[in-house]
Amino acid sequence: NAGVTQTPKFQVLKTGQSMTLQCAQDMNHNSMYWYRQDPGMGLRLIYYSASEGTTDKGEVPNGYNVSRLNKREFSLRLESAAPSQTSVYFCASSAGTVGLLFFGSGTQLSVL
Amino acid sequence: GESVGLHLPTLSVQEGDNSIINCAYSNSASDYFIWYKQESGKGPQFIIDIRSNMDKRQGQRVTVLLNKTVKHLSLQIAATQPGDSAVYFCASSGYSTLTFGKGTMLLVSP
Repeated sequence: NAGVTQTPKFQVLKTGQSMTLQCAQDMNHNSMYWYRQDPGMGLRLIYYSASEGTTDKGEVPNGYNVSRLNKREFSLRLESAAPSQTSVYFCASSAGTVGLLFFGSGTQLSVL
Repeated sequence: GESVGLHLPTLSVQEGDNSIINCAYSNSASDYFIWYKQESGKGPQFIIDIRSNMDKRQGQRVTVLLNKTVKHLSLQIAATQPGDSAVYFCASSGYSTLTFGKGTMLLVSP
């Protein structure tokens, strides 16, 4: 049972490049999330999807887009990466939006 | 806006001691609280949770206490071990999602 799987684990981009972070869960959860984690800032919510077919902005959505591809998959896209987007990104899922979250192992992204 | 905060950014203890990590929350409507442990290079992992109709819940070596009057919860770790060294986050249910605190780093020395 894999839980929440994120790819890639590491990525280095140049300013202006685009990329998509992939996330999949096998727990049949309705809700999925993307967080970023920066030193001293804790976990900040970028976007979430309460259920298949819906997405909503979180605390820090600027510069990101998301797609809930199906119930299992939720991707995060950076259209034009900026150094301020250097961070560790975590995907998470839960049965409901205010329930227990299960996290992936993270993606370390560096934008040069 | 709502916030979840921690009283101490770093807690250093000796192996075998009991550890207490504190957390304050601001949303009086929160009814679900979770503690997570995050080891270096890994994602947060669930430790224990508690609902607002309880004031104490025990797990294996861990206890969560909830004081709704002062909007405070704590995580107690008994007989702290080197493997407990990590960052600990509290989270509370918000209006639409969970709200996370910034974390407390627990350092356990042998």
